[in-house]
Amino acid sequence: AQKITQTQPGMFVQEKEAVTLDCTYDTSDQSYGLFWYKQPSSGEMIFLIYQGSYDEQNATEGRYSLNFQKARKSANLVISASQLGDSAMYFCAMREASYMDSNYQLIWGAGTKLIIKP
Amino acid sequence: DGGITQSPKYLFRKEGQNVTLSCEQNLNHDAMYWYRQDPGQGLRLIYYSQIVNDFQKGDIAEGYSVSREKKESFPLTVTSAQKNPTAFYLCASSHLAGRPDTQYFGPGTRLTVL
Repeated sequence: AQKITQTQPGMFVQEKEAVTLDCTYDTSDQSYGLFWYKQPSSGEMIFLIYQGSYDEQNATEGRYSLNFQKARKSANLVISASQLGDSAMYFCAMREASYMDSNYQLIWGAGTKLIIKP
Repeated sequence: DGGITQSPKYLFRKEGQNVTLSCEQNLNHDAMYWYRQDPGQGLRLIYYSQIVNDFQKGDIAEGYSVSREKKESFPLTVTSAQKNPTAFYLCASSHLAGRPDTQYFGPGTRLTVL
C-alpha cells in the first residue's frame, strides 16, 4: 500500500504567487518524521524542511512552510512568493519510528513537478 | 566545505561490464545510502550502511554490491547481473543520533548502458 501520496503530478504557478504541494501519508506509528526535498533539473536532491510528528508548531524555513495536519495525515509544503528558481521536482518523504533492524529508511512519494511561469 | 561528492557525473557502460560509482562524505555522518531513480519516479533504496564494515540491503539490492571500509566512503558496484542498470544514482548520508536525522545528498551519477 502506498505510504506517501503526492496527488499532483505537475503544477503551473505564476511567479510571485504562493503554491501548495500536497502530501498525505499513512502510518500507524505515533512517532515519525516528514521531509520535503527539492530536485532541480541538475538532479541533486536538496533538503528543504522537516516536521516531527510531536512538533506542535508547523515547521518553517524561509519561504517554505509545512502545513501539518496530523489528524488528516497530511503534510503539505507551502512556498510563499514563488520564484522562477523554484521550478523543480518536489518530493515528500517519511521516516517511521518503528525501525526494523534499525532500518533508517525513508519512504518516498512519487513527486510533483512544479513549473513557475514568468 | 562539508558535503557529499559523487563521481563520475556521467558514466557509460557496455553490457556485461561491472562499474563502480564513488561516494565520499566529509560531514562525519554515520550512515550512508544509495538510491536509484528512474525517469519520472521517486527514489528506491539499494543499500545502506550505519557503521563501517556493515551494510544492509534495501528494496532493490539485486545486481548491486557495496563496501564500507571507511566512514567517509561508500562505493556502489553495479554488476553485470543488474538487468536494467540505466538510471540516475544518488548517494546520501545522515547522522544516526538526534533529530532530525536528515539525509543529505550528493549530486548524483547518471549511468547509461550502451
